[in-house]
Amino acid sequence: DGGITQSPKYLFRKEGQNVTLSCEQNLNHDAMYWYRQDPGQGLRLIYYSQIVNDFQKGDIAEGYSVSREKKESFPLTVTSAQKNPTAFYLCASKTSGGAPNTEAFFGQGTRLTVV
Amino acid sequence: GDSVTQMEGPVTLSEEAFLTINCTYTATGYPSLFWYVQYPGEGLQLLLKATKADDKGSNKGFEATYRKETTSFHLEKGSVQVSDSAVYFCALNSNTGGFKTIFGAGTRLFVKA
Repeated sequence: DGGITQSPKYLFRKEGQNVTLSCEQNLNHDAMYWYRQDPGQGLRLIYYSQIVNDFQKGDIAEGYSVSREKKESFPLTVTSAQKNPTAFYLCASKTSGGAPNTEAFFGQGTRLTVV
Repeated sequence: GDSVTQMEGPVTLSEEAFLTINCTYTATGYPSLFWYVQYPGEGLQLLLKATKADDKGSNKGFEATYRKETTSFHLEKGSVQVSDSAVYFCALNSNTGGFKTIFGAGTRLFVKA
């Protein structure tokens, strides 16, 4: 079945460490997105990519980095510069970032906790 | 910039009650509008969508109508079930800035048996 896979589901990190969250899709989608969700809040866009080897900062990119070397993969690194990294992270994809009527498909999320 | 405002929760209803979750938007042009649902510990999934004015999206008993004159996209269901307990997000696809999806803050729904 086609879909988006995020791993791991739960992740614990010590302060000062970088950690990378995986996101893989087999939907052949061009556009991929990373969102952060905090309790009781909506989704905030971290980074997005509309094509391989290109990505753009979202609203809260500080302390995060991404790469898009393959169409299927869009890993997110949470660096030690991110002041408050504990959150639920969601990866999404769309068939084309430029088509206004297409919906986003989401992974199951990764819950990151800094200990 | 583009934005979505939806009613604050939580909303608590008894089974078989009528549900309305209000959603209004601000956007350039005529965006596509969406409702997504998030069950506990999971990602979001599309519930319904509408791509132009006066369109009605519907799925699983839920409905929402794209009202351009009031810039609204309210979610309704005639008779809720316990299994409808979840967080509901109203969203739009922005026509500017790389066609990002803009989400509302979400409304948590609790349905009691």
